[in-house]
Amino acid sequence: AQTVTQSQPEMSVQEAETVTLSCTYDTSESDYYLFWYKQPPSRQMILVIRQEAYKQQNATENRFSVNFQKAAKSFSLKISDSQLGDAAMYFCAYRTENTGGFKTIFGAGTRLFVKA
Amino acid sequence: AAGVIQSPRHLIKEKRETATLKCYPIPRHDTVYWYQQGPGQDPQFLISFYEKMQSDKGSIPDRFSAQQFSDYHSELNMSSLELGDSALYFCASSLKASGTRQFFGPGTRLTVL
Repeated sequence: AQTVTQSQPEMSVQEAETVTLSCTYDTSESDYYLFWYKQPPSRQMILVIRQEAYKQQNATENRFSVNFQKAAKSFSLKISDSQLGDAAMYFCAYRTENTGGFKTIFGAGTRLFVKA
Repeated sequence: AAGVIQSPRHLIKEKRETATLKCYPIPRHDTVYWYQQGPGQDPQFLISFYEKMQSDKGSIPDRFSAQQFSDYHSELNMSSLELGDSALYFCASSLKASGTRQFFGPGTRLTVL
């Protein structure tokens, strides 16, 4: 069965510095998607970044980038120039699609604190 | 280790019918969250409960209601089902005292025909 593990319950970063949130997953499938979601206190799930497994190039979105290591089944999120507004819970998620529909597996989350 | 249990795992309903989804949190967890994820969409937060009281409310339609029972399990009741309600419904649980890490269940796939 697929699993997603976020081993860091909490992380802290100084404003303007860089932080990396780790995520590992386990799957026997070759075609899937990986996501990082940000969850502020409102509980909304805001998509931060998405990576297709078949793409070797790491996805980037402004200050957010991933280090996708398919062989190692690792998908870490790097936040550069951290801002106070980045403080939130971050969830890593794995999604696969087949003829029966799609399936999503979530990690348990990493809470990010940003210090001024 | 025990995980979050959701039942049923799959459910097929007709339009205008009702559905009840159940969530059994990890033992000793006191907080339950419900999310909806449609095909190709990001998860949407619906509602959460802490110690049997509603704690946060998201984009839950008025046709839906939920509650948390004395044994901490939760049920999501959905009435007047619409085609657009077809989605994966995830439940997550946490122990509020330990912060807000949420452990997700496998989801219930609801198909409305």
